[in-house]
Amino acid sequence: ETGVTQTPRHLVMGMTNKKSLKCEQHLGHNAMYWYKQSAKKPLELMFVYNFKEQTENNSVPSRFSPECPNSSHLFLHLHTLQPEDSALYLCASGENSGNTIYFGEGSWLTVV
Amino acid sequence: QKEVEQNSGPLSVPEGAIASLNCTYSDRGSQSFFWYRQYSGKSPELIMSIYSNGDKEDGRFTAQLNKASQYVSLLIRDSQPSDSATYLCAARREGGSYIPTFGRGTSLIVHP
Repeated sequence: ETGVTQTPRHLVMGMTNKKSLKCEQHLGHNAMYWYKQSAKKPLELMFVYNFKEQTENNSVPSRFSPECPNSSHLFLHLHTLQPEDSALYLCASGENSGNTIYFGEGSWLTVV
Repeated sequence: QKEVEQNSGPLSVPEGAIASLNCTYSDRGSQSFFWYRQYSGKSPELIMSIYSNGDKEDGRFTAQLNKASQYVSLLIRDSQPSDSATYLCAARREGGSYIPTFGRGTSLIVHP
């Protein structure tokens, strides 16, 4: 069982749809992250939030919109995505000065 | 540009052998290093962290760090088929955003 839970685990959406990915961490951490993992590529950092404030936006297209209402919850709002956005989206949490980050199970996204 | 380099593999070893996974990093400011294991279709899970030069052992796993050579390795003794997975190396500098940089991962196959 992981301290970071993500929903949905699988999502298929059309290019004109709007959907959201949700992440919740039960570890008391103050930093949360969104990563994208595509086949044969390194993990790509998308966004970082520390104490609910966005501290990193790694040149992510505006069709991805993060939201962090509190230190335990993180959303990724998806709008007019492209097929190349199909990937595994991983949420993670950690202490912003701590030593490790912990990943959720991921949300598999397919854009058709 | 901070980079973490890993041979993508696959690295194939027989059951019971020692698997040796290697990683180099470009950022000399990196102070913390992590090995994550990722089974197919699953999220990465932390298996080892190392912060000082030398070896660190945990069960069948040994992490080795050489900061002068900017080199990190993971040895898996008595490899089992259940060790078959992708192993991700990550490096992180202290201070700033504390965000780890991940390599592409090395695929390990342990065959009976």
